[in-house]
Order: sequence, then C-alpha cells, then structure tokens
Amino acid sequence: GDSVTQMEGPVTLSEEAFLTINCTYTATGYPSLFWYVQYPGEGLQLLLKATKADDKGSNKGFEATYRKETTSFHLEKGSVQVSDSAVYFCALSDNFGGTSGSRLTFGEGTQLTVNP
Amino acid sequence: DGGITQSPKYLFRKEGQNVTLSCEQNLNHDAMYWYRQDPGQGLRLIYYSQIVNDFQKGDIAEGYSVSREKKESFPLTVTSAQKNPTAFYLCASRPSVDGYNSPLHFGNGTRLTVT
Repeated sequence: GDSVTQMEGPVTLSEEAFLTINCTYTATGYPSLFWYVQYPGEGLQLLLKATKADDKGSNKGFEATYRKETTSFHLEKGSVQVSDSAVYFCALSDNFGGTSGSRLTFGEGTQLTVNP
Repeated sequence: DGGITQSPKYLFRKEGQNVTLSCEQNLNHDAMYWYRQDPGQGLRLIYYSQIVNDFQKGDIAEGYSVSREKKESFPLTVTSAQKNPTAFYLCASRPSVDGYNSPLHFGNGTRLTVT
C-alpha cells in the first residue's frame, strides 16, 4: 500500500537558518504530493503541492520538488522565521484504481521549532 | 467565507457513552473525510464519503460510525466500542472534479477526552 516517511523530529533551528525536512514515499500509481502545516490547536493548512514528476511547489518561501527517481518530496526554506514554528506533514494522493484516488496518506509529521 | 466548521472544539465524555462530532462545510465539496490524530502518529483515516448517502471505511473504522444525508454535513459518532477514543479529530473535504490532484481542506478539529 501507499506510505509516506518523514524525517524524525523534532527539529530545532535558529532564526534565518536553512530548513530541510525530508519526505520519501511509496505508491502504486502516479501520486500527487502535498505539504501541510499545522499550528497548535488548529487543523492542517495546505502549504504547497506538486502533481507530476519534476514539478516544484512553492509558497511563503517554502519549496519542494517532486522527484520520481528518488521517490522524494523534501521541503526546504532558505531562511526560517520564528513564525514558521509548527508541525509539517508530507502527504500523497494516489490515482491507482477504484476509490483509492480519493484518499490522502500522511506522514507522521515533523515538529519544527525556530528560536530567535 | 467558505470553510469547514467542526463543533465543539473540546468535548468531554464518560466511558461507555456514545458521542457525535459535528462537521459542516459550505465549500460545495463532494468528498468529506474524518481523520484521527494522536501524538507522534500522524493522521489516520477513519471514514470518507465521496457522495451523499455513500461512505467507505478507512484504516481505523472500528468503533466509529458516520452518515452522509446531506452534502454539507458528515457527522462522526464515536461509540462505546472504540477502545481508545481520546484523540484530536479532524474533518476535511475536497472537490471531486479534480480527483486526486485536489488538496484537502481541514476544519480546526475537535479534541475529545473520554474518562
């Protein structure tokens, strides 16, 4: 079945540091890939997405590139801020057959803390 | 503004009682979902519905039930058969027109505590 693996957290950085959160996946079809962010006590918000190989999703300074050859979708940001402190989830949506395309599979989440 | 409303934000129940969590959306989305979130375990799919009067079990459906009588509403009942009901419950929706390319839109969740 489909699965998403994220780097283990938590991750603690100083303000203006470079961020990478690794995400790899296994899927039976040709998935779409997503990054979501969750602030304390809230639901998840879409951060960015990519729907086919070599696509780059970007938003609010965050970027991720869909790498089919390495089955990866790593999240990066060049200079993090304190306000970026949150939990980040990588997810995939697969189009392989039947109703499976209507589901999203999530990674376990990575807690990011940015210190001033 | 369109969105997904989950109520209440916090819910407390005694063990052995059934409890229903509300989820309403005004986004005109066809598909709706319930996820459970536990610390360190990410999100796990409980039930989902792609159309009114139809729904499918997710990965952890045991001890839960749902209904989809209206497009806007997808309530989740946590029954007394659910062994560990204390968790953060998230409702989500998305349009079916773009299929698997569409992201999910989430509500702000209901934190259920059963003692």
